[in-house]
Amino acid sequence: EVQLAESGGGLVRPGGSLRLSCTASAFTLSNAWMSWVRQAPGKGLEWVGRIKSKSDGGTIDYAAPLKGRFTIARDDSKNILYLQMNSLKTEDTAVYYCTMIHYEILTGYLVSWGQGTLVTVSS
Amino acid sequence: EIVLTQSPGTLSLSPGERATLSCRASQSISTSYIAWYQQKPGQAPRLLVYGASNRATGIPDRFSGSGSATDFILTISRLEPEDIAVYYCQQYGNSPPWTFGQGTKVEIK
Repeated sequence: EVQLAESGGGLVRPGGSLRLSCTASAFTLSNAWMSWVRQAPGKGLEWVGRIKSKSDGGTIDYAAPLKGRFTIARDDSKNILYLQMNSLKTEDTAVYYCTMIHYEILTGYLVSWGQGTLVTVSS
Repeated sequence: EIVLTQSPGTLSLSPGERATLSCRASQSISTSYIAWYQQKPGQAPRLLVYGASNRATGIPDRFSGSGSATDFILTISRLEPEDIAVYYCQQYGNSPPWTFGQGTKVEIK
């Protein structure tokens, strides 16, 4: 069974940085397209971005408001997905979910989800 | 960016009743790249339906999806107490950004 375990969340000051990790189990990360989704407290789901597998070009796409501050990366040798978050704002406070995409002809849906890690941006 | 609008915001029904959740897109979604997710309190979301009408693995057949172009529906044919959750639609077209609807909360009356 696919397992995704996020880590790295915590309390950070506005303007600070944080790197989240997502450790994948029971599948080979290098073959997978992956995505990050976040959810502010009491709010709905917000798509953060997506990274394709290297064999499909490794293209990375981001939600427009986050582009330039957030960076998705992958270390396929360690089976770990990352989300680097810089210049954090209070409105970035959220649970961040790592998800695996079921790929089907140029796109795919979010078939597996981790349990999430909470990021709190506060002074 | 494609905006998804879900209605109603909250649905309050009795066990055994039929639930109809709507998701309307601001523009036509090619090849019905719509998914539905269920999120129970304190849990991560779970995939219910993909491709507008295909049930995900292990999802009970009381859940069904339908629709095309700009109008999509998730139906729960006979509501069970364990179906209490927030339901989100999402479009995953070829060209990001992907977007979610704001969610419909299903309550048991």
